[in-house]
Amino acid sequence: AAGVIQSPRHLIKEKRETATLKCYPIPRHDTVYWYQQGPGQDPQFLISFYEKMQSDKGSIPDRFSAQQFSDYHSELNMSSLELGDSALYFCASSPTSHTGELFFGEGSRLTVL
Amino acid sequence: QKEVEQNSGPLSVPEGAIASLNCTYSDRGSQSFFWYRQYSGKSPELIMSIYSNGDKEDGRFTAQLNKASQYVSLLIRDSQPSDSATYLCAVSPTGNQFYFGTGTSLTVIP
Repeated sequence: AAGVIQSPRHLIKEKRETATLKCYPIPRHDTVYWYQQGPGQDPQFLISFYEKMQSDKGSIPDRFSAQQFSDYHSELNMSSLELGDSALYFCASSPTSHTGELFFGEGSRLTVL
Repeated sequence: QKEVEQNSGPLSVPEGAIASLNCTYSDRGSQSFFWYRQYSGKSPELIMSIYSNGDKEDGRFTAQLNKASQYVSLLIRDSQPSDSATYLCAVSPTGNQFYFGTGTSLTVIP
């Protein structure tokens, strides 16, 4: 069965650089979530989209932005990167019919040097 | 106060025993409750969802919900070494918001 696809799986950037993470949800899932998970931390909700519109915003820094495109894939853009942005970034998708059952991608590991 | 609280553990149980994982939440209006399993360096994987008071069983897993006490638990019967992972409790006050606990690390000793 198709799963949530995230790219790149690993990314190394320098401070003050910009990074873009991509997420392709499971087909027919209409909701996409972005989470940030630091080492030993729980996943922190960043932002979510329903039917290509932003539906909820969590602890997403102003330096970050995200959008969902017409083909339902989503991108998380991170600018002016800081050392503290180093984390695993998970994308998850969910079908409206099973709200709350999140299916996570493998994650994108961002390292900021 | 965090929305979802879990005992971080680590919790160790011998193989074949029952592992009991607990979670409390602060938003009394929460409607949906989930348990996710996360192996080290991997993404969380949904193992149980529960929406109404009482018990819900799925194989070796049983989720228990008590909304009056704002408490949700996960029991793992006949624990196996492959169950060793971090278990995340997640609570949804609304349809599109989810709060995760910090997770309980479980080790099943052969």
